[in-house]
Amino acid sequence: SQKIEQNSEALNIQEGKTATLTCNYTNYSPAYLQWYRQDPGRGPVFLLLIRENEKEKRKERLKVTFDTTLKQSLFHVTASQPADSATYLCALRNAGNMLTFGGGTRLMVKP
Amino acid sequence: EAQVTQNPRYLITVTGKKLTVTCSQNMNHEYMSWYRQDPGLGLRQIYYSMNVEVTDKGDVPEGYKVSRKEKRNFPLILESPSPNQTSLYFCASSPAGGMNTEAFFGQGTRLTVV
Repeated sequence: SQKIEQNSEALNIQEGKTATLTCNYTNYSPAYLQWYRQDPGRGPVFLLLIRENEKEKRKERLKVTFDTTLKQSLFHVTASQPADSATYLCALRNAGNMLTFGGGTRLMVKP
Repeated sequence: EAQVTQNPRYLITVTGKKLTVTCSQNMNHEYMSWYRQDPGLGLRQIYYSMNVEVTDKGDVPEGYKVSRKEKRNFPLILESPSPNQTSLYFCASSPAGGMNTEAFFGQGTRLTVV
């Protein structure tokens, strides 16, 4: 069966450091992996998409990498700020176009 | 402004009283879906629709109904709500175009069934 897993434990880091979040998946092929940000009580907001033939994607201070051998994507927030504190979700579409989300990882950036 | 609009934002109701949560998008998207979000369980898809008059069950469809009579609207219907349907609900839409399309989410509807 298809699965998407994220570390459910919150990640606490100091302002200015790089936060790295992990998303592991099984049985998605081809894989087009999406990352979203969700603030408490609000809907997720799309950040980045990386295709399985892409190794890396960047957007401002965000960087996503993709390792199709490990079936894993890493999401990096560089020079982190308290405003980056949120829950980050990864998601994949199956062949039927259904978008499924991982459980999300909460990031807390302390000043 | 491109957006997905859900109503109401907050709703408290009693067990068994039928309710409808509306969802409307102004982006001419073909694809719409409903999710519920519960602590520890993440976002789970209830129903989705690929286009007008085409709907499919997601992972947790029991106790819910949907309809897609117009492209812009995708209401979620709870015919006989129960306390285990207390949750935060999100509607989302996406353009057609395959696996690389992003989803746009509404603001959420917090439902409490007592």
